[in-house]
Amino acid sequence: AAGVIQSPRHLIKEKRETATLKCYPIPRHDTVYWYQQGPGQDPQFLISFYEKMQSDKGSIPDRFSAQQFSDYHSELNMSSLELGDSALYFCASSHRSGGDTDTQYFGPGTRLTVL
Amino acid sequence: AQSVSQHNHHVILSEAASLELGCNYSYGGTVNLFWYVQYPGQHLQLLLKYFSGDPLVKGIKGFEAEFIKSKFSFNLRKPSVQWSDTAEYFCAAGNYGGSQGNLIFGKGTKLSVKP
Repeated sequence: AAGVIQSPRHLIKEKRETATLKCYPIPRHDTVYWYQQGPGQDPQFLISFYEKMQSDKGSIPDRFSAQQFSDYHSELNMSSLELGDSALYFCASSHRSGGDTDTQYFGPGTRLTVL
Repeated sequence: AQSVSQHNHHVILSEAASLELGCNYSYGGTVNLFWYVQYPGQHLQLLLKYFSGDPLVKGIKGFEAEFIKSKFSFNLRKPSVQWSDTAEYFCAAGNYGGSQGNLIFGKGTKLSVKP
């Protein structure tokens, strides 16, 4: 079965640079969630989109922005990167309009390292 | 405030031992509960979920969990662990049918199974 796809899988950036992370949800899934998992930490919710509109906002810094496009893929844009942004960034998708509304399926993550 | 707590940070067992990982939640309203597993270097995979109905839910790989509403608990169990169960286990809670739907994770429990 198709899964959530994230790209790139690994990304190395310098401080103050920008980064763009991409997420392709499972086909027919209409909702995308972004989570940040620091080293040895639990995933922390950043932001979510439903039908291309922002649905909920968590602990996302103002330096980050995200959007969901017409094909339902989502991009997380991160600017003025800081060392503390080094983490694993997970995307998850769900089919809110379907029967399995509340189950989120996670992608493999993008490991961002800021030097 | 909504929260999920996992009692054990690191559990070490021998193969064939029984497993129980504790999870307690504090959540307003009707809650969905999940257990995810994260194998070393991999993404979060759904083990099982509870939405409503039978409080004893069975998941993949022989895992099960019991929802006890009076104790706000959702403990994960497996009668006989294998070396391949070595991983980190996260309990998570989310709104039932909510428009938001983001998950709140516990801090995770590392399980090490000795062959």
